Amino acid sequence: GENVEQHPSTLSVQEGDSAVIKCTYSDSASNYFPWYKQELGKGPQLIIDIRSNVGEKKDQRIAVTLNKTAKHFSLHITETQPEDSAVYFCAASTYNNNDMRFGAGTRLTVKP
Amino acid sequence: EPEVTQTPSHQVTQMGQEVILRCVPISNHLYFYWYRQILGQKVEFLVSFYNNEISEKSEIFDDQFSVERPDGSNFTLKIRSTKLEDSAMYFCASSESGRLSGANVLTFGAGSRLTVL
Repeated sequence: GENVEQHPSTLSVQEGDSAVIKCTYSDSASNYFPWYKQELGKGPQLIIDIRSNVGEKKDQRIAVTLNKTAKHFSLHITETQPEDSAVYFCAASTYNNNDMRFGAGTRLTVKP
Repeated sequence: EPEVTQTPSHQVTQMGQEVILRCVPISNHLYFYWYRQILGQKVEFLVSFYNNEISEKSEIFDDQFSVERPDGSNFTLKIRSTKLEDSAMYFCASSESGRLSGANVLTFGAGSRLTVL
């Protein structure tokens, strides 16, 4: 089955700096890669996703890149703000497969 | 904005007791899921459900677990005889479609924290 690895487990940045979180996956059939943000006491919330026919996607301060050959994808947050502080999870799933697999999570702390 | 609702938010139970966690998915969604997150660990897939039957389940989802859609709105997870290691946050999620049709976006509920003593 799919195995998703995520690094780093914790990340601390100064407000205004960029943050990068990286994930790798094992199943070459995976073709949907969402990123979730989980704030304390809440469920994961989708913030951005990318499909295998796209190499990069951007939404304001958030961007995701995908390298299918290397089987890795990354989340980039620019101009970080304290409210970006949360746990971020990457995930991967395959077409027709409902068992989305998550990475272990990255706790991002943005220091004012 | 439509949301997935879960009850209870927190349940404390004795080992060996049965627990039912309830979820109300988004009304026009057809696929339903349960995930669990042991404290400080990753979110783990348990089971997906479509058309009144299980479509996929993980190795975690053994015989002590069951799911049901008893009516048109609720989706439940039952743990028959709880163990200490069942203590976790259980998340329900739903999606409009299980296929990559542009709508395979999971919406998660806020979770039900289960504590087994």
